[in-house]
Amino acid sequence: NAGVMQNPRHLVRRRGQEARLRCSPMKGHSHVYWYRQLPEEGLKFMVYLQKENIIDESGMPKERFSAEFPKEGPSILRIQQVVRGDSAAYFCASSPLSGGEETQYFGPGTRLLVL
Amino acid sequence: AQSVTQLGSHVSVSEGALVLLRCNYSSSVPPYLFWYVQYPNQGLQLLLKYTTGATLVKGINGFEAEFKKSETSFHLTKPSAHMSDAAEYFCAVRRAGGTSYGKLTFGQGTILTVHP
Repeated sequence: NAGVMQNPRHLVRRRGQEARLRCSPMKGHSHVYWYRQLPEEGLKFMVYLQKENIIDESGMPKERFSAEFPKEGPSILRIQQVVRGDSAAYFCASSPLSGGEETQYFGPGTRLLVL
Repeated sequence: AQSVTQLGSHVSVSEGALVLLRCNYSSSVPPYLFWYVQYPNQGLQLLLKYTTGATLVKGINGFEAEFKKSETSFHLTKPSAHMSDAAEYFCAVRRAGGTSYGKLTFGQGTILTVHP
């Protein structure tokens, strides 16, 4: 069973460009979470999605950031008009069920560098 | 609101010595608790978790942790460190129920260095 897949692994963007980060959950998992790891900081929750639904977006910046998890295909985290402060590692995790005891399985991350 | 505090951003031990990584949490409801390990440029891997039942939890690679409700702690230990244990370790808490039960709240992380 392949693990959580994220691509690209590394992404370089210039200020003002758009960044699209993709996450394919583990097979059979319908719950996806996005986290951001800023330099010298721990991981911060961004958004929790199920297929075609955003369940909790309390950690998402109010502007420029959006996420989706369509019925078919990977989950997408989209950052419009990137700024240098968006440089970070973005991790996706998935779980099969929504219970609190369920383990979240993490992908390898996408490291975004904004020049 | 939940929070996690990991005491010591860097811990250094000798190979074969005891590893102790400290984690204290704050939660208004009974929490689920997790320890993850992150190797350089990789994602997070689950070491162990506490949900219910026995408060001493055993995980992979010889690690274990004990949930102490009275101390709001979930410290991670390993009797004998190995060079391959060098990594960054994250403690995390998750609500047991409620509308925001999906998200994990992480501590700042502890970098473990193991000396020969």
